[in-house]
Amino acid sequence: GEDVEQSLFLSVREGDSSVINCTYTDSSSTYLYWYKQEPGAGLQLLTYIFSNMDMKQDQRLTVLLNKKDKHLSLRIADTQTGDSAIYFCAYGSSNTGKLIFGQGTTLQVKP
Amino acid sequence: DAGVTQSPTHLIKTRGQQVTLRCSPKSGHDTVSWYQQALGQGPQFIFQYYEEEERQRGNFPDRFSGHQFPNYSSELNVNALLLGDSALYLCASSPTDRPNYGYTFGSGTRLTVV
Repeated sequence: GEDVEQSLFLSVREGDSSVINCTYTDSSSTYLYWYKQEPGAGLQLLTYIFSNMDMKQDQRLTVLLNKKDKHLSLRIADTQTGDSAIYFCAYGSSNTGKLIFGQGTTLQVKP
Repeated sequence: DAGVTQSPTHLIKTRGQQVTLRCSPKSGHDTVSWYQQALGQGPQFIFQYYEEEERQRGNFPDRFSGHQFPNYSSELNVNALLLGDSALYLCASSPTDRPNYGYTFGSGTRLTVV
């Protein structure tokens, strides 16, 4: 089936690291993404990882993929108040054109 | 470089009416997908258009239809509106030769059905 699970809410202090977790069910997923959505805005692609990778680092962002457990995480180092938003995990397959999204994790960053 | 543009930004319609939403893809992108995002939920795939044809469809009724024009822009039409159709409708574009490097989303159209 097609399903993506995320925790709903995460609160951290400014300067701390944030870790947002996601699990998915589709074993054919080939590409996994993290999107950010700020209030009243569309989705902004943060980063992506291919299923043949274990880790990807992009400045303050680190993505870890455990394909065996179908678990994806996004770590944001030195979290800033501007990082407050909803973060969506999504996956796509090379065989289809659609993305399957989780319900989003609201990240609250306290000063 | 303009990204994905959607119009209108907000819309209020009455139950039973019909609505048309519009999307212009990012320059260089030829594939357009539409998503519905209900309040507090993640986006749900409606359908995707490429070369003016519907290439794939999600689990949405036939009341939802679309069109893609030769300039790659797209429309989403919803007939016989229900209260449950109230949502943020997102358009995403991608280049066919690199579809999986991430779709570019527009800011969406907020549809309210009363």
